[in-house]
Order: sequence, then structure tokens, then C-alpha cells
Amino acid sequence: AQTVTQSQPEMSVQEAETVTLSCTYDTSESDYYLFWYKQPPSRQMILVIRQEAYKQQNATENRFSVNFQKAAKSFSLKISDSQLGDAAMYFCAYRLRRDDKIIFGKGTRLHILP
Amino acid sequence: DTAVSQTPKYLVTQMGNDKSIKCEQNLGHDTMYWYKQDSKKFLKIMFSYNNKELIINETVPNRFSPKSPDKAHLNLHINSLELGDSAVYFCASSSWGYEQYFGPGTRLTVT
Repeated sequence: AQTVTQSQPEMSVQEAETVTLSCTYDTSESDYYLFWYKQPPSRQMILVIRQEAYKQQNATENRFSVNFQKAAKSFSLKISDSQLGDAAMYFCAYRLRRDDKIIFGKGTRLHILP
Repeated sequence: DTAVSQTPKYLVTQMGNDKSIKCEQNLGHDTMYWYKQDSKKFLKIMFSYNNKELIINETVPNRFSPKSPDKAHLNLHINSLELGDSAVYFCASSSWGYEQYFGPGTRLTVT
């Protein structure tokens, strides 16, 4: 069965610093997608970044980038120049290309310290 | 011009009641979903519909019945509500195979 593990329940980072959130996943498949979603206190789920497993190049979206290590089944999210608005729960998620079911990790709560 | 909307945003009801949550998307997507987020923030899929056809039905009690009158709507009806049904329920939509867009969530409290 596919699983997604986020080993850091909570993290804190100073404003303007860089922070990395960890995610590992377990699958026997080779064709899949990985996502990071953000859930601020408003509880809206917002897609932050997406990575196709067949692409070697790490995805980036402005201050957000990933370190995708397919062999290690690792998909970490780096947030550069952290801002107060980045404070939220961050969920790592996985989806097979042939399937439409997203499996979520348990989330990492990120605090931004002013 | 909200992309995925849910009503109501908050729902407080007593055990044993029947309630519905409505979801609508105006993104032209062909697939819609219901997720449950428990008190520990764990998010788990319940159902998905593609072109009004049930695709995913996770092990959800049959007190939960999704209904899709058309591709833009997926409603969730819950019979005989129990305390353990208290959670935030999210609707989402996507074009098949692409990322999902979530609604704002409905916080259901069963007393």
C-alpha cells in the first residue's frame, strides 16, 4: 500500500530564513505525481507545488522548491525567505498517474517567528 | 467567481439527524471528490465521481451517500449522524489526472 510520511509534526523558522520540510513515501510504482499542499488557519487547501516522477528536474514555484530524490523516495519542500503568511499546515501528497486518489501525509505545522 | 464552493461552511446538529453538504465547481472539471479531515488534521478521501459516475468509494459507512446530479455538483448526504462524524469535510475537483482544487471545507459538529 502507498503511504506518505511526514516525520516533523511541527517546525519553526525565523522570518526571512529558509526552512525545509521532509516527506518520504512508499510505493512500488514508478509513474506518479507528488504534491505539497498548504492549509493556513482559514483551512483552505492550497496547492503549493507539483512534481511528476518521470521528471528529474526539481519543481520550483517562486520561493518554494522541492528536492525530489526518486531512488530514496524522498520529496522535501524548501521555503526560502520565509514570510509570516507562510505559517500553515503543510501536507505532502502522492498520486499514481493511473489512479485519481491522492494520499496525504499527516502534515507539518510550520510556525514563522517574527 | 469562487472555483469550488461548499455550503454550509459550518453545520452543528444532533446525533441521529440527517444532513447534506453541497458542493459546486465552476472550473469545468470532470471529476469531483469528498475528503474528511479529522481532529488531528488527517485528510482522507471518501469518494470520487468522474462524469457523474462513482469511481472511488473508500471504506465509508453506508450512512454516507454522495450524489452527483451533474458534473458541476457533488453533494454529500449523511444519515443518522454520529459523534464520530464530527470533522471538516472538503470537496475538491479536477480534470482527470491533474491536480485537485479544494473547496473551503465544511466543519460538521455532531452533539
